[in-house]
Amino acid sequence: AQSVSQHNHHVILSEAASLELGCNYSYGGTVNLFWYVQYPGQHLQLLLKYFSGDPLVKGIKGFEAEFIKSKFSFNLRKPSVQWSDTAEYFCAVNSYSGGYQKVTFGTGTKLQVIP
Amino acid sequence: GAGVSQSPSNKVTEKGKDVELRCDPISGHTALYWYRQSLGQGLEFLIYFQGNSAPDKSGLPSDRFSAERTGGSVSTLTIQRTQQEDSAVYLCASSLLDTQYFGPGTRLTVL
Repeated sequence: AQSVSQHNHHVILSEAASLELGCNYSYGGTVNLFWYVQYPGQHLQLLLKYFSGDPLVKGIKGFEAEFIKSKFSFNLRKPSVQWSDTAEYFCAVNSYSGGYQKVTFGTGTKLQVIP
Repeated sequence: GAGVSQSPSNKVTEKGKDVELRCDPISGHTALYWYRQSLGQGLEFLIYFQGNSAPDKSGLPSDRFSAERTGGSVSTLTIQRTQQEDSAVYLCASSLLDTQYFGPGTRLTVL
């Protein structure tokens, strides 16, 4: 069965610190990978996605993620966080089998950035 | 354009009552998803509609939960005989390809 693991449930950083949030998935076939973000009081929205090609993808607000197929990982990074990055971050995996799409989200990581 | 809308935004009900939650997806989006977001549980997939295909109901937690999508657009999630453990935020998302666009959610509180 497809699964997504986010190892960090709650991360607290000071402004300007570097960020890396882990995401590992289990699925043997082709997948599309996503990071979604939910800012306080707002909807979930797409941060970045990987379908194919360059495994290093860049998203909005200076975020990037690297797909490492051999490690089944898609970690999210940002060199220098800001207070406005305080949010909950969700990793998600899409796979296709038998004409059906299967979507699985991780349990989320709450990031708190201290000014 | 308009995003995904959900109604009501908040619903308080008594244990044992039935509730209906509504989702209006983005016009033209063929796929529609329902999720449940509970404290500390992340996003729990409930059901997925894709065009005219049979829905993927594999995430529905019990037979008290059902959903339908009329005319390939609006969807209703129905919870019968609500229980306190059904209290959560119910999120709807729609997509045309792979990226999902989420609504604001309905916060359900079962007393």
